[in-house]
Amino acid sequence: GAGVSQSPSNKVTEKGKDVELRCDPISGHTALYWYRQRLGQGLEFLIYFQGNSAPDKSGLPSDRFSAERTGESVSTLTIQRTQQEDSAVYLCASSLAVAGGTDTQYFGPGTRLTVL
Amino acid sequence: AQTVTQSQPEMSVQEAETVTLSCTYDTSESNYYLFWYKQPPSRQMILVIRQEAYKQQNATENRFSVNFQKAAKSFSLKISDSQLGDTAMYFCAFMKHVRSSTGNQFYFGTGTSLTVIP
Repeated sequence: GAGVSQSPSNKVTEKGKDVELRCDPISGHTALYWYRQRLGQGLEFLIYFQGNSAPDKSGLPSDRFSAERTGESVSTLTIQRTQQEDSAVYLCASSLAVAGGTDTQYFGPGTRLTVL
Repeated sequence: AQTVTQSQPEMSVQEAETVTLSCTYDTSESNYYLFWYKQPPSRQMILVIRQEAYKQQNATENRFSVNFQKAAKSFSLKISDSQLGDTAMYFCAFMKHVRSSTGNQFYFGTGTSLTVIP
């Protein structure tokens, strides 16, 4: 597609359930980023992929959070045993990851997760 | 570590007036890139403007321009002739290149909520 897409756009789940969030980056973009944005807050970095590997997982808040990327394309962010504090918008972005040159992130519309 | 600071959580401006959003950053890098993103209520993040640190000339995109002061590590966004559609959260971001194997790293400020008043 022309832009970054994310699914679902909204997800309501019960506390303790597992959820999977999906991100489809722009075709050809080797870098993929996940962020969390709580209501009225800024962007909290979660994890970053270069190709299929994740050189920086430093932002994952706990071992309940994991992410993978396959085929240098789709990525899924999985949250196990969800807690109410996980409620937020999860944003995905992709970029060309131009070495030593200008690089720009392009964002998806986000997935709004609500944990009841 | 890189940090990006936006000291104005909220701002408002009268329609057709000019407003400036401030951003400062801290880095020891000499080559980097700076961005302003806009996030309207639809929550879609949109790139507004981009500046390469090695360029002295300030970037301009239609009604949007930046005042880039490298020595002061300041990167403010000026919006001229403000329109109702400019109402949004604005995020300042910093990018540095790490290594070819690990790519680029981005750092975001906490955002400024701008309201354009009719």
